Amino acid sequence: QKEVEQDPGPLSVPEGAIVSLNCTYSNSAFQYFMWYRQYSRKGPELLMYTYSSGNKEDGRFTAQVDKSSKYISLFIRDSQPSDSATYLCAMKDSSASKIIFGSGTRLSIRP
Amino acid sequence: ETGVTQSPTHLIKTRGQQVTLRCSSQSGHNTVSWYQQALGQGPQFIFQYYREEENGRGNFPPRFSGLQFPNYSSELNVNALELDDSALYLCASSLQRVSADTQYFGPGTRLTVL
Repeated sequence: QKEVEQDPGPLSVPEGAIVSLNCTYSNSAFQYFMWYRQYSRKGPELLMYTYSSGNKEDGRFTAQVDKSSKYISLFIRDSQPSDSATYLCAMKDSSASKIIFGSGTRLSIRP
Repeated sequence: ETGVTQSPTHLIKTRGQQVTLRCSSQSGHNTVSWYQQALGQGPQFIFQYYREEENGRGNFPPRFSGLQFPNYSSELNVNALELDDSALYLCASSLQRVSADTQYFGPGTRLTVL
């Protein structure tokens, strides 16, 4: 079993829709939870970063962490064609140097 | 742009050869991490260097090795290349060893092993 599970998609939604992306994990030691966006032929770009449980909002993006269920989510409101990319969830514990990534979800926003 | 650069952009090698990939960190960043991203997968941690010393390693064999230089640029070396080494290799620089929110990724080097 992988430490981090993420539905690979692809996910296709119309412009303006609310998008929900999710990951589950098995390691209860994870404390830092991140979402990265990766465009084709580019490196991952950090979108959201959350420490421990709770919600964090940044513009059209909201990240949620539920440590009791080992489940994290990213919501994108008023989705735009420019949001079309692969979204990677990632997490780490407080002492480790490595970040553990999910396999990524390919998202396409239809104009 | 993150300020992290990698070279070369693309590389084609044959099985058994050796390869060196290079990374220039964002100015002032003393920590660099290397990741391997196979097609359709998330990045997998190879190792991290902090102030020229290895500071953590993932589940990769010893033929994957690295160096970090005093100017904080770094190299990833892979010996005895195998077909499964074909992937996008990413480096990420950060200010601190254990910080999660300041890892800046470069665009990657795409390695193809024939």
